Amino acid sequence: EAGVTQFPSHSVIEKGQTVTLRCDPISGHDNLYWYRRVMGKEIKFLLHFVKESKQDESGMPNNRFLAERTGGTYSTLKVQPAELEDSGVYFCASSQGGWGSPLHFGNGTRLTVT
Amino acid sequence: DQQVKQNSPSLSVQEGRISILNCDYTNSMFDYFLWYKKYPAEGPTFLISISSIKDKNEDGRFTVFLNKSAKHLSLHIVPSQPGDSAVYFCAASRTASKLTFGTGTRLQVTL
Repeated sequence: EAGVTQFPSHSVIEKGQTVTLRCDPISGHDNLYWYRRVMGKEIKFLLHFVKESKQDESGMPNNRFLAERTGGTYSTLKVQPAELEDSGVYFCASSQGGWGSPLHFGNGTRLTVT
Repeated sequence: DQQVKQNSPSLSVQEGRISILNCDYTNSMFDYFLWYKKYPAEGPTFLISISSIKDKNEDGRFTVFLNKSAKHLSLHIVPSQPGDSAVYFCAASRTASKLTFGTGTRLQVTL
């Protein structure tokens, strides 16, 4: 079984540019999450999809961030325009859902905004 | 407002000894707790979990203890092995929703 895959693994962009991160969850996992870890701090929740619907987007920092999951398969997270404080590692995770179902994480995309 | 806290940023333990990682939480509504292990340049990997109706869960060398009255959980690794060296994250959730993570504890198992 293939795990959660994220692309790209690294991205370096200038302030004001746009970046799109992609996540392919484990096949059959309806639940898809985005998390972010900034400067070695805690891993913070961004949002949660159930299939193609946004279940919870309370962690999205502002309207410069846009997440989509068209068709309920892969997801993209776009940052436009990027700011310096957006630098960090963005993790995607998926799960089958239901109580007790652990999240399976991808290796993350390290975003550096200069 | 950090609801899950790991107050020890690092821990060093000799191979063969017990490693004890601690985690405190403030939200009494949390009912599911997990530990994740993370190696550099990789995503967190699920290690072990416990529901709020239990006080102990064991899986091989790993045991998680939950003290609800103290809002405290701990992960015991015994015996510790060099391959256990990683960052360990404590996480908590309410009714299987989003996870709230701590800041992590870096465990170094020395020879």
